[in-house]
Amino acid sequence: GENVEQHPSTLSVQEGDSAVIKCTYSDSASNYFPWYKQELGKRPQLIIDIRSNVGEKKDQRIAVTLNKTAKHFSLHITETQPEDSAVYFCAASRGNFNKFYFGSGTKLNVKP
Amino acid sequence: SQTIHQWPATLVQPVGSPLSLECTVEGTSNPNLYWYRQAAGRGLQLLFYSVGIGQISSEVPQNLSASRPQDRQFILSSKKLLLSDSGFYLCAWSVQGGYGYTFGSGTRLTVV
Repeated sequence: GENVEQHPSTLSVQEGDSAVIKCTYSDSASNYFPWYKQELGKRPQLIIDIRSNVGEKKDQRIAVTLNKTAKHFSLHITETQPEDSAVYFCAASRGNFNKFYFGSGTKLNVKP
Repeated sequence: SQTIHQWPATLVQPVGSPLSLECTVEGTSNPNLYWYRQAAGRGLQLLFYSVGIGQISSEVPQNLSASRPQDRQFILSSKKLLLSDSGFYLCAWSVQGGYGYTFGSGTRLTVV
């Protein structure tokens, strides 16, 4: 099956700085890559996603890049704010029954 | 609009006791349904998925089972809980053939 690795496990940045979280996947047939944000004790919420037919997608301060050849994708958050503090999960799916395989998560701490 | 309900929110059960967690989806028909488990400080592990009534696929061997008695109802069960079954259990749904999940609010299970 698919194996998704995520780095770093923890990330601490100063408010206003940028944060980058990286994921690699093993299944070259994976074609959909969502990112989820999970606040403490709450359900994961989709924040951005990308499909394999594009290399980059941006939504305000959040962007995701995908390198299919290298099988890695990254989440970029610019101008970080304290409310960005949460655990972020990447995932990969090849579309069969829409099964997601998640990375181990990155705990982002934005210091005011 | 579609909503997903999951209960109970928290549960403390003794080792060896049975388990039943329920998830229901409203406002859609024939959804794909999923059960994930999140151990403390870890990522989300896919346990079961279902593409239709009575159709259950297991991702990993374990002490748990799942059932889908109705189109929009998904149940996670165990006959005898183990300490290692503790975790945060999340139900999710997606559109057949679509992308993206919506997660339920989760059940925090502590086996003592």
